[in-house]
Amino acid sequence: DADVTQTPRNRITKTGKRIMLECSQTKGHDRMYWYRQDPGLGLRLIYYSFDVKDINKGEISDGYSVSRQAQAKFSLSLESAIPNQTALYFCATSDPGTASGYTFGSGTRLTVV
Amino acid sequence: AQKITQTQPGMFVQEKEAVTLDCTYDTSDQSYGLFWYKQPSSGEMIFLIYQGSYDEQNATEGRYSLNFQKARKSANLVISASQLGDSAMYFCAMREFANAGGTSYGKLTFGQGTILTVHP
Repeated sequence: DADVTQTPRNRITKTGKRIMLECSQTKGHDRMYWYRQDPGLGLRLIYYSFDVKDINKGEISDGYSVSRQAQAKFSLSLESAIPNQTALYFCATSDPGTASGYTFGSGTRLTVV
Repeated sequence: AQKITQTQPGMFVQEKEAVTLDCTYDTSDQSYGLFWYKQPSSGEMIFLIYQGSYDEQNATEGRYSLNFQKARKSANLVISASQLGDSAMYFCAMREFANAGGTSYGKLTFGQGTILTVHP
């Protein structure tokens, strides 16, 4: 099984719908992140969490919310999806004590029509 | 705020030749880390190489090396002996420290990416 699992892998949804992307990890890392990838823009940080009680906005948090249900689970919600939220979404975890210790999920490809 | 710039939207290289992918960065931190990731067409992010700002030698991992020039704030990726399987998107990223003491590693900031195409 993958260390960081994202579900679903692909999703098509309609404008205005609420959708949740889920991320679970078996790395035992406290730190979890949600990134969005758009062509020509690289990956941009949406939200991050350094432990269960700590949630922080990233550079593009508008239109998104998150929930850290447990150390191993970090969910991203689009309250009312819009077409420009069509993107590839990545969840990642990190070990705060390891310089290069980042692990990415396989990504969720979301299309809003 | 940290910033990563990759100025090459696309690069082409002949199989078995070497190629350099450019990355420049901007940060006010004294201690930081630089990463390169590969993203094939399947979409996953594959970690290639890491360089710490205090590392005296350039990082190497097999055919990958990181040409780290601290004064010029550049961290170019060099791929030697290119293979067809190297065709992919490549991202440069920088790691910040999450606390003022610089002992706790935080979030990554990414560049725009470079698409590498290897020709046979």
